Amino acid sequence: QSALTQPASVSESPGQSIAISCTGTSSDVGGYNYVSWYQQHPGNAPKLMIYDVSTRPSGVSDRFSGSKSGNTASLTISGLQAEDEADYYCASYTSAGTLVFGGGTKLTVL
Amino acid sequence: EVQLVESGGGSVQPGGSLRLSCVASGFTFSRYWMNWVRQAPGKGLEWVANIGPDGSDKSYVGSLKGRFTISRDNAKNSLYLQLNSLRAEDTAVYYCAADLNPPTPKLDYWGHGTLVTVSS
Repeated sequence: QSALTQPASVSESPGQSIAISCTGTSSDVGGYNYVSWYQQHPGNAPKLMIYDVSTRPSGVSDRFSGSKSGNTASLTISGLQAEDEADYYCASYTSAGTLVFGGGTKLTVL
Repeated sequence: EVQLVESGGGSVQPGGSLRLSCVASGFTFSRYWMNWVRQAPGKGLEWVANIGPDGSDKSYVGSLKGRFTISRDNAKNSLYLQLNSLRAEDTAVYYCAADLNPPTPKLDYWGHGTLVTVSS
């Protein structure tokens, strides 16, 4: 199972919006509405931000949203804040009954 | 409050073995799927394995080729990962993660991880 494809890094100014893509195949992202997104600050454990493509867990800011089209899912962060600077990982359920992560995207808030 | 506390990491020589543990609290452990995820130094997350509530259903990432075994003891609220035939590339922080909102797969809660270093 190959890792999902994410851009290595993205950057944007505070207050702006940014989208992070996550591309897989019809055996994972495209085949199931089971894409989740995780935020990880340096030295910390990951935190669930989005699940089932577009559902936010309780307590996660509504500035975070998710979507999917075909084999590509996206995480959009609006109204960027300094605290959003972190690594972001997508994950998907696969036809093998496993989970697969993306390679991760480092978000820099300029 | 949900808590997941991993232990058992450390330094081991190539070819050696380790058993990682994760003690859960704050939820009814026996009802939920549990996972192990690892992260090599400076690298991304890699899902390793999961196990169903009663321990009968297990899945692994294909690249492990039978070297790792996931198990659980619901009476002790504990999750385990047996690591055998360790290689340098197994060096990573190993996280225990819980899926507390079934039925769709996700990793709601994470421990802080335990570091495994494989080196001669």
